[in-house]
Amino acid sequence: LAKTTQPISMDSYEGQEVNITCSHNNIATNDYITWYQQFPSQGPRFIIQGYKTKVTNEVASLFIPADRKSSTLSLPRVSLSDTAVYYCLVGDVDDKIIFGKGTRLHILP
Amino acid sequence: ETGVTQSPTHLIKTRGQQVTLRCSSQSGHNTVSWYQQALGQGPQFIFQYYREEENGRGNFPPRFSGLQFPNYSSELNVNALELDDSALYLCASSWNGGSEPSDEQYFGPGTRLTVT
Repeated sequence: LAKTTQPISMDSYEGQEVNITCSHNNIATNDYITWYQQFPSQGPRFIIQGYKTKVTNEVASLFIPADRKSSTLSLPRVSLSDTAVYYCLVGDVDDKIIFGKGTRLHILP
Repeated sequence: ETGVTQSPTHLIKTRGQQVTLRCSSQSGHNTVSWYQQALGQGPQFIFQYYREEENGRGNFPPRFSGLQFPNYSSELNVNALELDDSALYLCASSWNGGSEPSDEQYFGPGTRLTVT
């Protein structure tokens, strides 16, 4: 399993766009990149998944450069309710999901 | 909210006791994974069950065991509880059956276990 590295914490303000970057230098050919969000005392919630280039859904966008050694989760116009821990995961279809420590995002008013 | 439910919500046990935690997976899902999440840490993978068989295990001792039933619900059993077992235990269900990634897991709200 490829190891991931994310910032431990980030602060931003309401209405801003937030970009969280994850490094995964040892990503394998068959690996996908997945992001989860977790609020205190709740289970993680799937946000987005991608393999290459750009993926967008109603919640976020995921940017993956050609070498796939990093990825960036983009949250448009964040609100206070986006304060949470965000996890970047990398793995194959058959891999078991392994979480790192995640990025604690704190949105300020 | 996901369709994954867990019981009980909270539990207090004494060191040395045994505990059983339960999980009902989302309708249509055939795979259940269990995670332990200590305060301030990311979830740690315990094991996964697929079609009633253990399908992978993390770095947890044998006193952590599990079951998956024909309806795909699952139990996590922990024997000889230790103080360090105090954590949030998360269950996640997913569909595993094709070439598409099964990484989209649906997590339950968790069971908060306190060992005193």
